[in-house]
Amino acid sequence: QSALTQPASVSGSPGQSITISCTGTSSDVGNYNLVSWYQQHPGRAPQLMIYEVNKRPSGVSYRFSGSKSGNTASLTISGLQAEDEADYYCCSYAGSSTFYVFGTGTKVTVL
Amino acid sequence: EVQLLESGGGLVQPGGSLRLSCAASGFTFSAYAVSWVRQAPGKGLEWVSAISGSGGSTNYLNSVEGRFTISRDNSKNTVFLQMNSLRAEDTAVYFCARHGGQKLVSWFDPWGQGTLVTVSS
Repeated sequence: QSALTQPASVSGSPGQSITISCTGTSSDVGNYNLVSWYQQHPGRAPQLMIYEVNKRPSGVSYRFSGSKSGNTASLTISGLQAEDEADYYCCSYAGSSTFYVFGTGTKVTVL
Repeated sequence: EVQLLESGGGLVQPGGSLRLSCAASGFTFSAYAVSWVRQAPGKGLEWVSAISGSGGSTNYLNSVEGRFTISRDNSKNTVFLQMNSLRAEDTAVYFCARHGGQKLVSWFDPWGQGTLVTVSS
């Protein structure tokens, strides 16, 4: 099972919106509404930002939103802030044999 | 406050064994599944193994099946990962993460701070 495909890097200026894509297959992203997104600052543990495609945990800013179309999920960060600079990973359930697959990761830079 | 704390990492020779622990606090431990997720130096995240809240269901990444064993002691609020026949490619920071519920199919929240496993001669 290959990792989900994410762009290596995405950048934006403060206040702008950016979108990170996460492309899988009909065996994972396309088949289950079980996509989650994680933010990881250097040297820190990942933190859940979005679960079940578009649900936001309590405590996560409304500026983070998720969506899915076909085999591609997306994370949008609106009103980009300096504190959003981090690595972001998507994750999808992939069935009972593979179970979970993570994305390749995207480094977000705030210009 | 919900907390997970990993321990047991270290330097081990190829072919050796190591047992990781994940101690939980701040929630009803048996009501939640737990996973181990690893991150090789400078690389991305990779799911390794999961165990249901009761301990009755487990699942593994193909490349660790038969070498790693996940278990839990609900009386001690602890999940374990027994790692045998370790290889250089198992070198990584190992995180434990609570699932969104008791089932194995869920999301991961929160995560522990991780423990480093280095497999080298």
